[in-house]
Amino acid sequence: SQELEQSPQSLIVQEGKNLTINCTSSKTLYGLYWYKQKYGEGLIFLMMLQKGGEEKSHEKITAKLDEKKQQSSLHITASQPSHAGIYLCGARGGSGGSNYKLTFGKGTLLTVNP
Amino acid sequence: SQTIHQWPATLVQPVGSPLSLECTVEGTSNPNLYWYRQAAGRGLQLLFYSVGIGQISSEVPQNLSASRPQDRQFILSSKKLLLSDSGFYLCAWSVRRIADTQYFGPGTRLTVL
Repeated sequence: SQELEQSPQSLIVQEGKNLTINCTSSKTLYGLYWYKQKYGEGLIFLMMLQKGGEEKSHEKITAKLDEKKQQSSLHITASQPSHAGIYLCGARGGSGGSNYKLTFGKGTLLTVNP
Repeated sequence: SQTIHQWPATLVQPVGSPLSLECTVEGTSNPNLYWYRQAAGRGLQLLFYSVGIGQISSEVPQNLSASRPQDRQFILSSKKLLLSDSGFYLCAWSVRRIADTQYFGPGTRLTVL
């Protein structure tokens, strides 16, 4: 079965600093999803990456997919307290349209100090 | 726009009692529906998914069951709760027949005492 390892497990940064979160898969990535979660709340979808080398940005968050390394990174530029939360990566188990299942990493807890 | 609801938001139940958690989706038809459990230190685990009314796939053998009585309604049940059933339960939906992005509900915090 596929496993996703996220690093670091937790991260504390000063407001305004840049940071990167990594997600490494034990198997080929067919679709990589990034979500954000506030404690005790549901997951908020951030971005989806499907092709090797693909890069997407939303506001100050950029995600990249390195298919060869079976890895994705999430980069936040000039962090703000509103970026604080748990970031989770999820991956689809296969390339077919019927592969509905997502496997998730255990998350990275981000704290941004003002 | 699509909206997903879950209730109750929090629940405290004694061991051995029954359980019923409900999830409904608005603004879309024929969605795929999912139940996940998030437990401390164990990450997010897929429990059940459904591609249509009455069609349920179970991912993990356990004390729980799921049903889909209507197109946009997904129910998680148990006849007798165990301590190990405690956790944060999340419902999600995606476009039917496509391995597309999953959108999550607000979750239900279940504590079994």
